[in-house]
Amino acid sequence: SQQGEEDPQALSIQEGENATMNCSYKTSINNLQWYRQNSGRGLVHLILIRSNEREKHSGRLRVTLDTSKKSSSLLITASRAADTASYFCAEPPGGYNKLIFGAGTRLAVHP
Amino acid sequence: NAGVTQTPKFQVLKTGQSMTLQCAQDMNHEYMSWYRQDPGMGLRLIHYSVGAGITDQGEVPNGYNVSRSTTEDFPLRLLSAAPSQTSVYFCASSYSQGGVNTGELFFGEGSRLTVL
Repeated sequence: SQQGEEDPQALSIQEGENATMNCSYKTSINNLQWYRQNSGRGLVHLILIRSNEREKHSGRLRVTLDTSKKSSSLLITASRAADTASYFCAEPPGGYNKLIFGAGTRLAVHP
Repeated sequence: NAGVTQTPKFQVLKTGQSMTLQCAQDMNHEYMSWYRQDPGMGLRLIHYSVGAGITDQGEVPNGYNVSRSTTEDFPLRLLSAAPSQTSVYFCASSYSQGGVNTGELFFGEGSRLTVL
């Protein structure tokens, strides 16, 4: 399988703390994407970082990419209970038509 | 704007039965795909389409058929259901900019299938 891996598998924090999730991908990529999935819902696109970018911000989200280590991290700052969800990284080894998703990190943010 | 709509939301089948999961999008997106999500395994690509009349296989296509007769609809057919096909199925669409797929997927809410 070409599936990448997220680390940790599960993360439990208090509101206001920062949450960091890591993704190890397997192929040579042009970019990497992060998605969020609330329980029982579909995935929602969060952010895309291109291979020539090292860091990207979107609101409380900060994504980094290290192509030499084939890894990416997603940082959520000042977390809220509403951030409780699963977070997935996705790589397009075969082009954007064939995104490959990791197994995800389950984040629980406690009030 | 409904986005990506999947029906049914829940379905229980007996082994050997066939059925079709419906997917429709109203965003005029060229690209559509079907994924299945199993616990601990993330999402795996079943089939995808780059436009009306064009489909191709993903990572786990066996036991499934698709067709794309219109831009809006991309149904997934289970030919002879097996317990291994018990899963949550997601349909997704994406659009192009400058003739290139942006890769940003818009997902439906999922169809939860149990095969007994």
